[in-house]
Amino acid sequence: DADVTQTPRNRITKTGKRIMLECSQTKGHDRMYWYRQDPGLGLRLIYYSFDVKDINKGEISDGYSVSRQAQAKFSLSLESAIPNQTALYFCATSDPGTASTDTQYFGPGTRLTVL
Amino acid sequence: DQQVKQNSPSLSVQEGRISILNCDYTNSMFDYFLWYKKYPAEGPTFLISISSIKDKNEDGRFTVFLNKSAKHLSLHIVPSQPGDSAVYFCAASATWDKIIFGKGTRLHILP
Repeated sequence: DADVTQTPRNRITKTGKRIMLECSQTKGHDRMYWYRQDPGLGLRLIYYSFDVKDINKGEISDGYSVSRQAQAKFSLSLESAIPNQTALYFCATSDPGTASTDTQYFGPGTRLTVL
Repeated sequence: DQQVKQNSPSLSVQEGRISILNCDYTNSMFDYFLWYKKYPAEGPTFLISISSIKDKNEDGRFTVFLNKSAKHLSLHIVPSQPGDSAVYFCAASATWDKIIFGKGTRLHILP
């Protein structure tokens, strides 16, 4: 079984609809992240959470919100989807422990299309 | 303001030759550097990393070189194999901080 899972894997929705992307992990990591990938723009950080009570905005948080329901679950919401939010979305986890360095583990991605 | 730059969107290399992927960074606080590999329809996977106290780290066919004075790192793959065709992301972080990714370089290994 995959350590980091994302649901749904593919989603087509219409402009103005609310949509939630979910991420679950079995790695026991405290840190979780949401990224989006667009052609030519690489991975851009939307939100991140270093523990259950910690939520931080990334570089492109406008139009998105998140909820950290538990250590293992981190969901991303688009309150009113718009076409330029069409992208590939990745969830990631990490747990540097006592180390100052960190390595992230990614889910398989959710392809979202907003018509 | 892009802190991690991969200036080559794509690179084609003959099978069996050396692939060299380059990355530049601007933040002098970065002290940990990583390379991720991504196949289509999959999430990125960690490939190799290097701490700023080193200038080279090797893992099998993959070697990462770090030049701190030039704020430059490179990933060498030798020999290149067909399965190495993928998008490679360079990433960097400062102590206790989040990781910043570059835009990626698509590597094509030619038969």
